[in-house]
Amino acid sequence: QVQLVESGGDVVQPGRSLRLSCEASGFTFSNYVMHWVRQAPGKGLEWAAIISYDGSDKYYADSVRGRFTISRDNLKNTLYLQMNSLTAEDTAVYYCVKDGNIVLVPGARGMDVWGQGTTVTVSS
Amino acid sequence: DIQMTQSPSSLSASVGDRVTITCRASQRISSYLNWYQQKPGKAPKLLIYVISNLQSGVPSRFSGRTSGTDFTLTISSLQPEDSATYYCQQTYTPPYTFGQGTKLEIK
Repeated sequence: QVQLVESGGDVVQPGRSLRLSCEASGFTFSNYVMHWVRQAPGKGLEWAAIISYDGSDKYYADSVRGRFTISRDNLKNTLYLQMNSLTAEDTAVYYCVKDGNIVLVPGARGMDVWGQGTTVTVSS
Repeated sequence: DIQMTQSPSSLSASVGDRVTITCRASQRISSYLNWYQQKPGKAPKLLIYVISNLQSGVPSRFSGRTSGTDFTLTISSLQPEDSATYYCQQTYTPPYTFGQGTKLEIK
């Protein structure tokens, strides 16, 4: 079945870095746009980043641009999120999400498969 | 960035009621409006994409429409399992912003 499994969440100190991974299975990973979405404790959903099917095009939320980098390895069916200069405001559950479309912009099929999430806590 | 505003922020309704949640965009988003359902401790689930297209497996009591600047999610006959938080999201142009959420409780 279609599945996304995130890993890499941890407790880290402010200013440090962390890399999240998301292993995809059950679908042709290289065909689809992928996202990272986060949710701070008790808060709503915040879209963070998007990457095209081949990794050539990327967009970021203002809150993470310049600090986070989304990437993918289509041979390994894996999505990544490199997070640098972490602050307490980055504390959240991070979801890896498959788009229903192969087109980056606009998104015409919604975000149809979500991972279970991985927790990042930034604290001294 | 496009701001998405949902109303109400919360509501309480009874089983069998018809419930409507509204989402408004701060600028034009064409038809690129999606709805998600999230239950406590779980990942969100896509309900409707591009205003009114029901995602596979979603019950037909869920529907979406637009009246121009406003987008609505309607549950025609509320069921106990519909207790959740609902989010709208625009995917017209990045950043693909979400609304703040509507928490739906069953009386």
